[in-house]
Amino acid sequence: SQQGEEDPQALSIQEGENATMNCSYKTSINNLQWYRQNSGRGLVHLILIRSNEREKHSGRLRVTLDTSKKSSSLLITASRAADTASYFCATDFWGAQKLVFGQGTRLTINP
Amino acid sequence: DVKVTQSSRYLVKRTGEKVFLECVQDMDHENMFWYRQDPGLGLRLIYFSYDVKMKEKGDIPEGYSVSREKKERFSLILESASTNQTSMYLCASSPRGLRKSGNTIYFGEGSWLTVV
Repeated sequence: SQQGEEDPQALSIQEGENATMNCSYKTSINNLQWYRQNSGRGLVHLILIRSNEREKHSGRLRVTLDTSKKSSSLLITASRAADTASYFCATDFWGAQKLVFGQGTRLTINP
Repeated sequence: DVKVTQSSRYLVKRTGEKVFLECVQDMDHENMFWYRQDPGLGLRLIYFSYDVKMKEKGDIPEGYSVSREKKERFSLILESASTNQTSMYLCASSPRGLRKSGNTIYFGEGSWLTVV
């Protein structure tokens, strides 16, 4: 399967701490994206990183990409209770006109 | 704002019924997708369409069909609903060029289908 895999499956931290989620994939990619899903809702795009980029920032989000290890990480700094959600990585493979999603990391921020 | 609208948020259908899930996008996107989401399995692609009247099978097309008669509308059809199709269904759209530019895809709010 080309599906990405997130690690950990679930993460629970205290408000104010940093949260790190990892994503691994199997084949060469065009780009990698991270999405967020609040409970019972649709997914919302957070950030995209291209295969020739190594790091990208957006507000409290920091994404890294290591194509040699076929992995990416999403760091959320200074977490807030409102960050509680599931986070998915999605990869766009060369030659494919679709995204393939991982199974997600369920993040819980405790007040 | 970008909008993908799924017609039904919650549905309960009987085994054997024909079920239609409708999705409309207002962004003039070429690509549209149907995913299903199940606990522990993540999102799995059922079908996608990159143009009107065009469709391609995703990873789990069995038991489903789709229709794209107009650019803005993409329908998912369960010909004869079964209990193992109880799930959350997510529609999404994206502009053409996903391969080249890595465009974002935009999701609807999801349709919860229960088949009894």
